[in-house]
Amino acid sequence: DAGVIQSPRHEVTEMGQEVTLRCKPISGHNSLFWYRQTMMRGLELLIYFNNNVPIDDSGMPEDRFSAKMPNASFSTLKIQPSEPRDSAVYFCASSFLEPNYGYTFGSGTRLTVV
Amino acid sequence: AQSVAQPEDQVNVAEGNPLTVKCTYSVSGNPYLFWYVQYPNRGLQFLLKYITGDNLVKGSYGFEAEFNKSQTSFHLKKPSALVSDSALYFCAVRPSGTYKYIFGTGTRLKVLA
Repeated sequence: DAGVIQSPRHEVTEMGQEVTLRCKPISGHNSLFWYRQTMMRGLELLIYFNNNVPIDDSGMPEDRFSAKMPNASFSTLKIQPSEPRDSAVYFCASSFLEPNYGYTFGSGTRLTVV
Repeated sequence: AQSVAQPEDQVNVAEGNPLTVKCTYSVSGNPYLFWYVQYPNRGLQFLLKYITGDNLVKGSYGFEAEFNKSQTSFHLKKPSALVSDSALYFCAVRPSGTYKYIFGTGTRLKVLA
């Protein structure tokens, strides 16, 4: 398995533009997580899906953020409109629901909003 | 409030020496405990976990961790550090009955040649 695949690796966009981040989880995993990492706030859980259904989106910072998982092999995180404070590294991770399984993280998307 | 503490922002150790990266937690019940490592420009990689059983768990790359219930600690250790071990290490706790991790703030390990 190629692991969790995220695209793009880097994204530079202007304030106000729409940004879409993509994630392909490991085949067979039934849970998917979006995290944001910044120096100031560390790792923050944004949203969690189980069997393609959003279970907990309490970490999504604002209505400008939305996430979808149309099928078991694909998820998107969209920011519209983007702001400079959204600049961060966004990670997708997948796992099995069982709590003793660790997560497999993607390599992340480094987003810079100018 | 449930929390995970990594009291050291950075740990420096000479190559060949033993290393310890500390983690303590404040979580109700019997949590699952994990260590992850992050290399530059990469995602977090799973190192090891404690679920139940022997308090000393062994993981990838020669790392091990010791669970101490009375001290609510889960320190990461390695008998002989390598320069290639230099990275950012995260302790994570998954409270029983939940799906969410609580991550520590991370400890940067620098192994000096």
